[in-house]
Amino acid sequence: DTEVTQTPKHLVMGMTNKKSLKCEQHMGHRAMYWYKQKAKKPPELMFVYSYEKLSINESVPSRFSPECPNSSLLNLHLHALQPEDSALYLCASSQQGDYGYTFGSGTRLTVV
Amino acid sequence: DQQVKQNSPSLSVQEGRISILNCDYTNSMFDYFLWYKKYPAEGPTFLISISSIKDKNEDGRFTVFLNKSAKHLSLHIVPSQPGDSAVYFCAASAQSSGTYKYIFGTGTRLKVLA
Repeated sequence: DTEVTQTPKHLVMGMTNKKSLKCEQHMGHRAMYWYKQKAKKPPELMFVYSYEKLSINESVPSRFSPECPNSSLLNLHLHALQPEDSALYLCASSQQGDYGYTFGSGTRLTVV
Repeated sequence: DQQVKQNSPSLSVQEGRISILNCDYTNSMFDYFLWYKKYPAEGPTFLISISSIKDKNEDGRFTVFLNKSAKHLSLHIVPSQPGDSAVYFCAASAQSSGTYKYIFGTGTRLKVLA
């Protein structure tokens, strides 16, 4: 298995909802990442997990809460989002020290 | 401050010809560079990488050139094929500083005309 799987592919949520994005990989990668990509913009790093511990938080608002329950799973919990948070959320993974990521296909999030 | 810049938002090339995509960076600490290709509704796909100890890396139809003094890298696709039509991102990181944080350029949309 050489893929990063993200679910759901599409999500529409209200500003008072709580939802979660899920990311899964079975390549034995020990670093996992969340990126946010707005239309016609490059992906922007949000969080980095290394060996299931949060190592980088790029000053992301607390309404985004990451979780890494084990080495294969990465979640992003969403609560009280704003319409401007609508974007494509990409998960990626890499071997520690590897030069290059494997990206998932993303979750297209719309906040209404 | 955009540390990684792709100044051409779009490029059109005839099938069979060479596509050249350019990328400039400002941070001299960057020592590892990647090119990704992205189709609509998909995540970025890794294409090719280059370390700052090299000035060229080749993989099939794809060649990346690095000019450290000019802080410039380019991706050459020869021959270009219609299936190469996508958005191409360059990304850079300072691996020697121990971070795995990549900075992406804004992308160039390549259209290969049949």
